[in-house]
Amino acid sequence: GDSVTQMEGPVTLSEEAFLTINCTYTATGYPSLFWYVQYPGEGLQLLLKATKADDKGSNKGFEATYRKETTSFHLEKGSVQVSDSAVYFCALSPNPTGNQFYFGTGTSLTVIP
Amino acid sequence: DTGVSQDPRHKITKRGQNVTFRCDPISEHNRLYWYRQTLGQGPEFLTYFQNEAQLEKSRLLSDRFSAERPKGSFSTLEIQRTEQGDSAMYLCASSSSLVSSPLHFGNGTRLTVT
Repeated sequence: GDSVTQMEGPVTLSEEAFLTINCTYTATGYPSLFWYVQYPGEGLQLLLKATKADDKGSNKGFEATYRKETTSFHLEKGSVQVSDSAVYFCALSPNPTGNQFYFGTGTSLTVIP
Repeated sequence: DTGVSQDPRHKITKRGQNVTFRCDPISEHNRLYWYRQTLGQGPEFLTYFQNEAQLEKSRLLSDRFSAERPKGSFSTLEIQRTEQGDSAMYLCASSSSLVSSPLHFGNGTRLTVT
């Protein structure tokens, strides 16, 4: 079935370090891919999305490229800040017009000054 | 766009009691979802509405859980005879039915069953 696998956390980085959070997916069709961020005590917020192969989603310095050949959607940021400390979730929607969303287990990021 | 609103933010109840949560979606969104999230996990799908019709329910959703969306606007999720295993964050999300429309989440209701 359709699913998402994220790298295990937690991840701890120093401020201004480079961030990569790996995400791979399994899907039978042509899914849309998303990254969500969750700050303590809050719901999930959409960070970025990509809807077809080779699309790059970007927002707030974060980027992720939809790689169909490697079924991946890794999240990257060139220089993290303390305010980026949160839990990051990779998600997919298998059908562009459908209603199903599948989430990874989340990767906790802590950025230290 | 005032965002998705959930009420209450926190609920503490004793085992065996009934609880009801409310969700107000983004007004233009016709799709509404309920998810459950436990510590260290991603959201798990519970149920989904398109307008007022409940179109899908997860097998996770026992008979003690019921959800409604009268008139296709706000939604309620009721849990009857709560159990300690029901303790979790209950997230509501809404979306439009446009292609590849993302979910917009509320801040959730944290339920603690003692």
